[in-house]
Amino acid sequence: GNSVTQMEGPVTLSEEAFLTINCTYTATGYPSLFWYVQYPGEGLQLLLKATKADDKGSNKGFEATYRKETTSFHLEKGSVQVSDSAVYFCALSGGLTGGGNKLTFGTGTQLKVEL
Amino acid sequence: EPEVTQTPSHQVTQMGQEVILRCVPISNHLYFYWYRQILGQKVEFLVSFYNNEISEKSEIFDDQFSVERPDGSNFTLKIRSTKLEDSAMYFCASGAGQGKNQPQHFGDGTRLSIL
Repeated sequence: GNSVTQMEGPVTLSEEAFLTINCTYTATGYPSLFWYVQYPGEGLQLLLKATKADDKGSNKGFEATYRKETTSFHLEKGSVQVSDSAVYFCALSGGLTGGGNKLTFGTGTQLKVEL
Repeated sequence: EPEVTQTPSHQVTQMGQEVILRCVPISNHLYFYWYRQILGQKVEFLVSFYNNEISEKSEIFDDQFSVERPDGSNFTLKIRSTKLEDSAMYFCASGAGQGKNQPQHFGDGTRLSIL
C-alpha cells in the first residue's frame, strides 16, 4: 500500500537559516503529493501540492518538487522565520489509476525557529 | 476564508460510553472525511463520505464507528462503545471535488480522552 516517510524531528534552526525537511513516498502509479502545516493549537492547513512528476509546489516561500525518480518531495525554504515554527506533514493521495482520494500522511516533523 | 469547524475541542468520556464528534464542513463541499492521530503517531485515515454514503473506510473503522450527515450542514462521527485505545485527536476534513488532486480542508480537531 501507500506510505510516506519523513525525517524525524524536532528540527531547530536559527532565524534566516535554510530549511530542508525530507519526505519520500511509496506508491504505485502517479499519486498527488502535499505538504500540510499545523501551527500550535490549530488544525492541518494545506501548504502546497504537486500533482505530477517534476511539478514544483510553492507557497509562502516554501517549495517542494515532485521527484518520481527518487520518490521524494522534500520541503525547502530559503530563510525561515520564527513564525514558521510548526509541525509539517508530508502526504500523498491516489496512486493507482482511478484510486481513491484518501490522504496517507507521514509522521510529521516539528520545526522550531529561534531568534 | 471558509473553514471546517469541529466541536467539542476536547471530549473526556468513560470507557464503554458512546461519544459523538461533530463537524461542520465548508458549505459548498461534497466530500467529507474523518482522520485520527494517536499521540506521537501518524495521522490515519478513517472514512470518506459522499452522497450520503461511505465511499471508503479503513481497517480502523470497525462496527463501533459510524458516520452520519443528519442535516445539510453537520457531519458526525459516532463511537458506540469507547475503548482506551480510541483516545486520539480526531480531524474532520472536507473537499469540493473528488480525485487525488483535490485538496482537503481540515478542522482544528477534537481531542478525545477515554478514561
